[in-house]
Amino acid sequence: EPEVTQTPSHQVTQMGQEVILRCVPISNHLYFYWYRQILGQKVEFLVSFYNNEISEKSEIFDDQFSVERPDGSNFTLKIRSTKLEDSAMYFCASSEGTQKLTFGAGSRLTVL
Amino acid sequence: GIQVEQSPPDLILQEGANSTLRCNFSDSVNNLQWFHQNPWGQLINLFYIPSGTKQNGRLSATTVATERYSLLYISSSQTTDSGVYFCAPVRDMRFGAGTRLTVKP
Repeated sequence: EPEVTQTPSHQVTQMGQEVILRCVPISNHLYFYWYRQILGQKVEFLVSFYNNEISEKSEIFDDQFSVERPDGSNFTLKIRSTKLEDSAMYFCASSEGTQKLTFGAGSRLTVL
Repeated sequence: GIQVEQSPPDLILQEGANSTLRCNFSDSVNNLQWFHQNPWGQLINLFYIPSGTKQNGRLSATTVATERYSLLYISSSQTTDSGVYFCAPVRDMRFGAGTRLTVKP
């Protein structure tokens, strides 16, 4: 079954550093998403992306965050200047239409 | 966005027991997904269910969009069913807070 692939699986960074999380969505999918989950809490929507632009974003997705589809396969989430509270699991998801989402295994970000 | 309420927040079962998890929405939804987050943190699709009932092995789900709720049934629970169950309306894709299920041997 096709998978959404995320890298790295775990990243440790110092506060204030920039981080880029990468995702390879399923090849025929057109909609892409980022979510985050702080340890022990619920899964929170960050942003959705379609047709090379952000279609929706949450209040969490402030100016520190950006997303990009730099080529035909990758979808990235950049955090410009990480804060301690950015420590979380970040999930990428994709869907063919506005229907069933498939999630990647997640990237755990630890900010020290 | 749509508010999603899941109940119960926590559920402890003996292996073999049945259970029903509930998801209520603040507005009508025309499609919904149920996910299982296993103890390793992976989010697994269980059902994409706009309406009606779907079955997959010991699991089944029913969505009544007009009544703004969806139910997930787990029959003959197993320890591998442990984890957190989330529902999310697909239009909105905001997750509920989840139901944490623990199945004891």
